[in-house]
Amino acid sequence: NAGVTQTPKFQVLKTGQSMTLQCAQDMNHEYMSWYRQDPGMGLRLIHYSVGAGITDQGEVPNGYNVSRSTTEDFPLRLLSAAPSQTSVYFCASSYSFPDTQYFGPGTRLTVL
Amino acid sequence: DQQVKQNSPSLSVQEGRISILNCDYTNSMFDYFLWYKKYPAEGPTFLISISSIKDKNEDGRFTVFLNKSAKHLSLHIVPSQPGDSAVYFCAAGGTGNQFYFGTGTSLTVIP
Repeated sequence: NAGVTQTPKFQVLKTGQSMTLQCAQDMNHEYMSWYRQDPGMGLRLIHYSVGAGITDQGEVPNGYNVSRSTTEDFPLRLLSAAPSQTSVYFCASSYSFPDTQYFGPGTRLTVL
Repeated sequence: DQQVKQNSPSLSVQEGRISILNCDYTNSMFDYFLWYKKYPAEGPTFLISISSIKDKNEDGRFTVFLNKSAKHLSLHIVPSQPGDSAVYFCAAGGTGNQFYFGTGTSLTVIP
């Protein structure tokens, strides 16, 4: 079991560029989520999914898109990166809500 | 507005003593609470949870207490060990399929 994997580990973007943060889990979890961690702000939910084909917004969804075509994968897309999106991004999964979530190792994103 | 608050950004405790980490929440609809531990450059890992039907849950050295009337929960670590040094996040969730996290408390256990 690889658990929750995230790629890349580090990324530097220029303002206006787009990119996709990848997240995959091999535990057959239905619930997946994306968080960002900023100093003094804790973890804030961006988007989540309760199953394939179903996504919804969290606390801070603006500037991010998600899709869930398979149970295993939950990519996060930045369509036009802004410096305010500089953060550490964590993907998490669980069997359902509110079960314990398993987190990936994170992606550190810098937008110049 | 922050629905889950951890008002102590940091805490230092001597090895062997008790560590008490606190968390307050504002939404009375929250009925499930968790604590996560995070080391630098790693993702958070689950530590212990409690549902609103209980006021205490224990797992080894870790105990979580829930005071629903005060909207307050605390994590007790006894005895504290140097390996417990990490950032601890509390999280709360209800019927909305979302967990809300606090800002974290950095615990340092001094050998």
